Amino acid sequence: DIQMTQSPSSLSASVGDRVTITCRASQGISNYLAWFRQKPGRAPRSLIYSASTLQSGVPSKFSGSGSGTDFTLTISSLQPEDFATYYCQQYYAYPRTFGQGTKVEIK
Amino acid sequence: QVQLVQSGAEVKKPGASVKVSCKASGYTFTSHYIHWVRQAPGQGLQWLGRIDPSGGGGGTAYAQKFQGRVTMTSDTSTSTVYMELSSLRSEDTAVYFCARDNDHDYWGQGSLVTVSS
Repeated sequence: DIQMTQSPSSLSASVGDRVTITCRASQGISNYLAWFRQKPGRAPRSLIYSASTLQSGVPSKFSGSGSGTDFTLTISSLQPEDFATYYCQQYYAYPRTFGQGTKVEIK
Repeated sequence: QVQLVQSGAEVKKPGASVKVSCKASGYTFTSHYIHWVRQAPGQGLQWLGRIDPSGGGGGTAYAQKFQGRVTMTSDTSTSTVYMELSSLRSEDTAVYFCARDNDHDYWGQGSLVTVSS
């Protein structure tokens, strides 16, 4: 199975901060990577697919980059609704695998 | 608009089976795979498998961890996909989500399955 490792596992930030989360795959996955945001008690929401393409309706403050094994998610200006847990997922191979999550908390 | 609406919460005893449904609307049901993902309390996301709802060549693909215990089926007449998990144990207590396509662009609201004696 392809292992996905996110860093950091958690971070504290303030409203307006720029935040970057990284995701590393244990083998090359081309650009078959998605990012999700999940708020407590809610289903995940898709933010980005194909490593860098925003889902319809997702604000441009979110951006993704990378290919191969190393990927990043950047939030340009944190807003209150962005304090949540973020997950990456590879869909290059079965079984699909997720990173362990990055919890973004209010400083 | 695209919607995936799941069945309600279930409480099951160890060794029993549970069948969770995911009813799709707002798009062509047979044109998009449905995936199942679960989340144990306080834990991350875990992929269980996916189904081609058309009944065509895509078939099903299951995570090896759940092979033999999970069965995914579809009913095109009602645009509903089902996920059945058997031989339940306490570790299967989780919220089960359905999600559309490889990029999981739409998600169901989740169905809590509690396994307890």
